[in-house]
Amino acid sequence: DAGVIQSPRHEVTEMGQEVTLRCKPISGHNSLFWYRQTMMRGLELLIYFNNNVPIDDSGMPEDRFSAKMPNASFSTLKIQPSEPRDSAVYFCACRAQWGNEQFFGPGTRLTVL
Amino acid sequence: KNQVEQSPQSLIILEGKNCTLQCNYTVSPFSNLRWYKQDTGRGPVSLTIMTFSENTKSNGRYTATLDADTKQSSLHITASQLSDSASYICVVSLTGGGNKLTFGTGTQLKVEL
Repeated sequence: DAGVIQSPRHEVTEMGQEVTLRCKPISGHNSLFWYRQTMMRGLELLIYFNNNVPIDDSGMPEDRFSAKMPNASFSTLKIQPSEPRDSAVYFCACRAQWGNEQFFGPGTRLTVL
Repeated sequence: KNQVEQSPQSLIILEGKNCTLQCNYTVSPFSNLRWYKQDTGRGPVSLTIMTFSENTKSNGRYTATLDADTKQSSLHITASQLSDSASYICVVSLTGGGNKLTFGTGTQLKVEL
């Protein structure tokens, strides 16, 4: 298994543009998590899905952020419009139904100019 | 507020030396505590996971300890290697909230020749 796959690995965009981050979890893992990591705040949970259903989105900072999981093998995190303070590394992680471990992807480094 | 605090913030040691990283938490009710290693440009990778009933757990040259009474954990690295240079993150999980993790901001370790 290739592990969690995220794309793009790096994204540079201008303020006001729409940004879409993508994640393919490990096959068979039914929980999916989106995190944001910054130097100041460390890792923060944005939203997590269980069996493709959003369970807790209390970490989503603003209405500019939205996430979807249309099927078990794909999820997106969208920022519209993007702002410079959204610059961070965004991680996707997944967990198997009976497991205790979260497996992280390599992250997407987002820079909003 | 549930918090996880780590010390030191950063650490430089010589190859072959031992070191100990500290983690104090106020998360309650506590379920389990994990230590993750995050290499530069990569996602976090789990090193150890301990429940409240476990005092110590080893993974090769990494040994984690847990004192649930004082709410403290440590990660001891023996005979450090250059490849140990990374950020080490302490993560605590709430009872019944296994999908929601509280992350420390990490200790940045650099191992030099």
